[in-house]
Amino acid sequence: AQTVTQSQPEMSVQEAETVTLSCTYDTSESDYYLFWYKQPPSRQMILVIRQEAYKQQNATENRFSVNFQKAAKSFSLKISDSQLGDAAMYFCASGRSQGNLIFGKGTKLSVKP
Amino acid sequence: DTAVSQTPKYLVTQMGNDKSIKCEQNLGHDTMYWYKQDSKKFLKIMFSYNNKELIINETVPNRFSPKSPDKAHLNLHINSLELGDSAVYFCASSQTGVKQYFGPGTRLTVT
Repeated sequence: AQTVTQSQPEMSVQEAETVTLSCTYDTSESDYYLFWYKQPPSRQMILVIRQEAYKQQNATENRFSVNFQKAAKSFSLKISDSQLGDAAMYFCASGRSQGNLIFGKGTKLSVKP
Repeated sequence: DTAVSQTPKYLVTQMGNDKSIKCEQNLGHDTMYWYKQDSKKFLKIMFSYNNKELIINETVPNRFSPKSPDKAHLNLHINSLELGDSAVYFCASSQTGVKQYFGPGTRLTVT
């Protein structure tokens, strides 16, 4: 069975600073994907970044980047130059192609002005 | 154009009632899902349909019955609603590559 663990229920960052959200996972699949989703108060689930497990290169999307450590089954999200609009719940998830996603319990990120 | 839409966005009802939530996607995806997000924000898969066929049915009370009239629609019908059914229900769809597109969610409150 797949599991995803987010050990930080809450995090806080100063505006313009950098913050890293942690995620570890466990899977017996050889072909899988990892994701970070953002859920603002509007409750819409927004895909932040995606990583294919077979790719060694870490994914980046503008201010968002991941540190994917396959052997350690670790998938952390780094947010650079944090903005007030980054405040939200962040969910780490894993899944297979056309399979359902397994989510972590989320990390609530606050951004201080 | 909204990629994945759900109706209604809010649903308040009494215990014992039967209600439905509708989901439609206009992305041409083959696979659709229902997820439940509880009061602690934990998201969990309930059902998955591929081309109108049920492929995942997690441990969900049989009061919950998904129905897929065509591959663009996946509705969720709930019988005999209980207080514990109060949650946000998300519909999602995907094609290849796993990226899932989520609907806006339906907040169900059972009183």
